[in-house]
Amino acid sequence: GQQVMQIPQYQHVQEGEDFTTYCNSSTTLSNIQWYKQRPGGHPVFLIQLVKSGEVKKQKRLTFQFGEAKKNSSLHITATQTTDVGTYFCAAPPRNSGGSNYKLTFGKGTLLTVNP
Amino acid sequence: DGGITQSPKYLFRKEGQNVTLSCEQNLNHDAMYWYRQDPGQGLRLIYYSQIVNDFQKGDIAEGYSVSREKKESFPLTVTSAQKNPTAFYLCASSTGQGGYMEYSGANVLTFGAGSRLTVL
Repeated sequence: GQQVMQIPQYQHVQEGEDFTTYCNSSTTLSNIQWYKQRPGGHPVFLIQLVKSGEVKKQKRLTFQFGEAKKNSSLHITATQTTDVGTYFCAAPPRNSGGSNYKLTFGKGTLLTVNP
Repeated sequence: DGGITQSPKYLFRKEGQNVTLSCEQNLNHDAMYWYRQDPGQGLRLIYYSQIVNDFQKGDIAEGYSVSREKKESFPLTVTSAQKNPTAFYLCASSTGQGGYMEYSGANVLTFGAGSRLTVL
């Protein structure tokens, strides 16, 4: 099945530093979603990217979808302790017509922030 | 408030026992899902249901069973055939508008708080 590779697996930063997690696929993705899971919590939807080269911003978070639609990134500017958690990307399988019924999740990047 | 309720939050079971995890949603979503999460791993799809009385196997369905008799409910049974059942189980739902949805926000997943199963 399709795989989305997410790196790094862990990232520890000092509060105020920037953070980036990357999601890569060997195949073209119809769309990609990003979720955040706080420690002990459940995943919460952040954003969906659909168009080639798309860039979306949510306050200090910037999401990008590559021109070839094979990779995506989430960048956090000036991290805060509230950013702690695991960030997952998720994408539908190939030849699904864009249907997200069988999303494939990356393994996630665990972000810890030292205050 | 609309949402997804999973119960129990914590569950302990002895080897060889079946256990059923409850998932109820009041979001009027058509589609429901069960995911399994292990430490350091992503979410792996166990089963999903696009509509009442219909469900499909996900990537790791062996040792699990589900039913979808009501739109609001999608219980998961972890059977004794599941070799390594200790995990965090997450139920999710979505509007379920599948098909070509490149320009829609359909199938964004809303998750429940999860059920943590430990086999003793």
